[in-house]
Amino acid sequence: AQTVTQSQPEMSVQEAETVTLSCTYDTSENNYYLFWYKQPPSRQMILVIRQEAYKQQNATENRFSVNFQKAAKSFSLKISDSQLGDTAMYFCAFMKLLSGAGSYQLTFGKGTKLSVIP
Amino acid sequence: NAGVTQTPKFQVLKTGQSMTLQCAQDMNHNSMYWYRQDPGMGLRLIYYSASEGTTDKGEVPNGYNVSRLNKREFSLRLESAAPSQTSVYFCASSIQGNYGYTFGSGTRLTVV
Repeated sequence: AQTVTQSQPEMSVQEAETVTLSCTYDTSENNYYLFWYKQPPSRQMILVIRQEAYKQQNATENRFSVNFQKAAKSFSLKISDSQLGDTAMYFCAFMKLLSGAGSYQLTFGKGTKLSVIP
Repeated sequence: NAGVTQTPKFQVLKTGQSMTLQCAQDMNHNSMYWYRQDPGMGLRLIYYSASEGTTDKGEVPNGYNVSRLNKREFSLRLESAAPSQTSVYFCASSIQGNYGYTFGSGTRLTVV
């Protein structure tokens, strides 16, 4: 079974600074996808960034980038130029195909609560 | 384009009562899912439906039933609510796994 570990329950960062959220995962599969989701106080789950395991190049989306280390099974999220609106819970997630079903299961870490301080 | 719509947004039940959480998506996605979110636990899969007419258990299915009424709708039923089912419930849908899920806005359920 896949497991996703986020070792930092809470973090804080000064506005305009850079912060990195850690995530490790455990799997025996070779092809999979990794995601970071953001959950602000509104409770909505928002996709931040995704990474395909077969791609060596790290994904980037504006101020958000990942450091994907496949051999180490590590998938950290870097937020540059932090903004007050980045205050949220961040979830790392691993996606696998549910065998024969055509559906995909997202397995989530327990989350990191990020506070951006003015 | 509404995406994934869940109703209700909030609900309080007494122990032993039943209720159905509704979910509908308008993106023509084949797969739909129900997750629950508990403090410190992340999100855990309850049930999923790969296509209309099919449903399967996820990690934590006990105490729940589901119905995939048509391609758009996927409901979650609690037959006899228990305090342990107090949680936030999310419905989601996907067309292909590599694009992740689209989530509804969640239902906060409290069982007293």
